[in-house]
Amino acid sequence: DIQMTQSPSTLSASVGDRVTITCRASQSISSWLAWYQQKPGKAPKLLIYDASSLESGVPSRFSGSGSGTEFTLTISSLQPDDFATYYCQQYNSYSITFGQGTRLEIK
Amino acid sequence: QVQLVESGGGVVQPGRSLRLSCAASGFTFSTYAIHWVRQAPGKGLEWVAVISYDGSNKYYADSVKGRFTISRDNSKNTLYLQMNSLRAEDTALYYCARRYYYYDNSGSRFDCAFDIWGQGTMVTVSS
Repeated sequence: DIQMTQSPSTLSASVGDRVTITCRASQSISSWLAWYQQKPGKAPKLLIYDASSLESGVPSRFSGSGSGTEFTLTISSLQPDDFATYYCQQYNSYSITFGQGTRLEIK
Repeated sequence: QVQLVESGGGVVQPGRSLRLSCAASGFTFSTYAIHWVRQAPGKGLEWVAVISYDGSNKYYADSVKGRFTISRDNSKNTLYLQMNSLRAEDTALYYCARRYYYYDNSGSRFDCAFDIWGQGTMVTVSS
């Protein structure tokens, strides 16, 4: 199975900051990667698919990049609503795997 | 309104069985692969199983292989997860999720990320 490793596990930041979360795959997954945001008590919400495509309705301050084994999610200017947990997900193979999550908290 | 609604969760003893359901509405259910994903309390997301749009292909995580069975009834727009030989480590919130697809310029279909999720149903395995 393909392993997905996110870093950092926890990130403290302030409103207005630019933040980046990294996700590494144990083998190449081309661009078959998605990013999700999850808030407490809620289902995950799709933000980015195919590594860099913004899901409809998601604010443009979210962006994704990368291919192969290294990927990033960037939030250009943090808003209060962005403090949540973020997961990457690979869908290169039928056996889908998620990263362990990055908790974004208010500094 | 496009939505998925899970049901069937509850408290069950180790070794017993439970069947979860996921009712779909607002879209053509029979054209989408649907997945089960679970989340143990305070933990991350774990993919559990997938069934293709027509039910012909099914895949499972190693942690549930041989114990869980995914199925669907396209006439009822419903997905199922039969869970047997339940263990304490199966305790989690179980989500169903739609994997959306698109066609490229050549007409090839690409299955993509999970765009629609249910609200989840909680399964607790405890004596």
